Amino acid sequence: GAGVSQSPRYKVAKRGQDVALRCDPISGHVSLFWYQQALGQGPEFLTYFQNEAQLDKSGLPSDRFFAERPEGSVSTLKIQRTQQEDSAVYLCASSSTLNTEAFFGQGTRLTVV
Amino acid sequence: EDQVTQSPEALRLQEGESSSLNCSYTVSGLRGLFWYRQDPGKGPEFLFTLYSAGEEKEKERLKATLTKKESFLHITAPKPEDSATYLCAVQETKAAGNKLTFGGGTRVLVKP
Repeated sequence: GAGVSQSPRYKVAKRGQDVALRCDPISGHVSLFWYQQALGQGPEFLTYFQNEAQLDKSGLPSDRFFAERPEGSVSTLKIQRTQQEDSAVYLCASSSTLNTEAFFGQGTRLTVV
Repeated sequence: EDQVTQSPEALRLQEGESSSLNCSYTVSGLRGLFWYRQDPGKGPEFLFTLYSAGEEKEKERLKATLTKKESFLHITAPKPEDSATYLCAVQETKAAGNKLTFGGGTRVLVKP
C-alpha cells in the first residue's frame, strides 16, 4: 500500500479483555516502531523491530504488552488483561533505513471500559 | 535520559500573524531532530529533519532551525489550514534504529 495501515481504527475493550492491534508497514520498510499516545501528549516509544528481530522493547509498560513481527512485514501489538490506563492511541511507524524519517499510520484508538 | 520540551503548549494566531514554536532538548548525542505535524484523529506527518547546529529547512510557510540546545519552527503568515499540533522529536546517536523521543507538542489554532 501507499502508506502505513493500522487496524482496527477504533477498539473498545472491557477491562480484563485481550486485544490485538495490527500494523501493515510500507512495503520494503525494514524498521517498524510502535508508539503509545495519551490524549494531549506526544507519542511515547514502545518497541522497535528491524525485519523480524525485536531489537528494543524497553518502552513496553508491563509484561501484559507483547509485540511480534514474525515475517518481517506485518506486526501485531497484543495487550493482555487490558486495564483502564491502557486507553490511548497506538501508533505504528515504519522507515526504510537508519537516519531517515519514520512514516506513521493513523493509529488505533483503544478505549478500555 | 533524553528530554524534549515544547513551548508554548498552545498558540492562537490570527491569519497572517507570524510566530515561532520552541523545542528544547537534552541528549547525550544528537543524531537528528524531527518536526512532525499532527491533525486530530490522524498520525504524525513528517515535516523536517535537522542534523547539525546552524541547519535550516523550509517548506511553504514553515521554516525550521537548529542550535545545540533547541530548535524553532517559524510559521510565516499562517493560514487556517496550518492549524494542527506540531511535534518535535529527537533521535539519539546510540538509539536502536531511529527511535524517536517526542515532546508534548504545540497546538496551533489559526483563526481567519
